[in-house]
Amino acid sequence: SQTIHQWPATLVQPVGSPLSLECTVEGTSNPNLYWYRQAAGRGLQLLFYSVGIGQISSEVPQNLSASRPQDRQFILSSKKLLLSDSGFYLCAWSFLGRPPGGYTFGSGTRLTVV
Amino acid sequence: SQQGEEDPQALSIQEGENATMNCSYKTSINNLQWYRQNSGRGLVHLILIRSNEREKHSGRLRVTLDTSKKSSSLLITASRAADTASYFCAYENAGNMLTFGGGTRLMVKP
Repeated sequence: SQTIHQWPATLVQPVGSPLSLECTVEGTSNPNLYWYRQAAGRGLQLLFYSVGIGQISSEVPQNLSASRPQDRQFILSSKKLLLSDSGFYLCAWSFLGRPPGGYTFGSGTRLTVV
Repeated sequence: SQQGEEDPQALSIQEGENATMNCSYKTSINNLQWYRQNSGRGLVHLILIRSNEREKHSGRLRVTLDTSKKSSSLLITASRAADTASYFCAYENAGNMLTFGGGTRLMVKP
C-alpha cells in the first residue's frame, strides 16, 4: 500500500536560519507531489508541485524553494526563514490516472519561526 | 490564493443531528473532493464526485454537486462526537490542480 512520510512533526527555528523539510512516498512510482501551507484556522495554499524528478512548479512567490532529487522524495527548503514562514506545512501525493483519486497527505510539520 | 468558499465557517451541533456544509467555486472543474482534518493533523480524503455526477453516498456521507450553480454540499447524517473536525472542499480544475476552500470547523457535542 502507498504511504507518505513527512518529518519532522514540529520545528522551532530562529529567524534567518535555514529550513529543510522532507517528504517521501512509498508504494508508488512517478507520483505527483505537492507542498501546501496552512495558516492557523485557514485553508490550504499550494506552494509547489512536481510531476517528475527535477520538475518543480511554484505557485506563490516566496522565501521558499522545493526540490525533487528522487522520484519519491520532495524537499522544501529555505535559506533564511522569516517570521511569516510560520505555519503548518503539508506534503501530498496523487497519481494522475483514471478513475480520479484524491490526494494523500502526510501528517504535516508545524513550523514556528521565532 | 483560495478560490473555493465554504459555508458556514463553523458549525456546532448535538450528537445525532445532521451536519450540512456548503462549498462554492468559480471555475470549470473535473471533480470536487471533500477532506477531513483533525486538529493538527494531515487531511484525509473522504469522497470525490465527478463533474458529471450529481449525488454520491459513502456511509453517513452524502455529497451533492450542482455545476450550474458551481456549488457542492456535504451532509453528515446522525453525527457523532468523533466527527468533530475541520472539513474542506477541494476542486480539481482542467489543469488537474486541486484548490482548497477555507474549511468548515464542525463541533459535535455529546
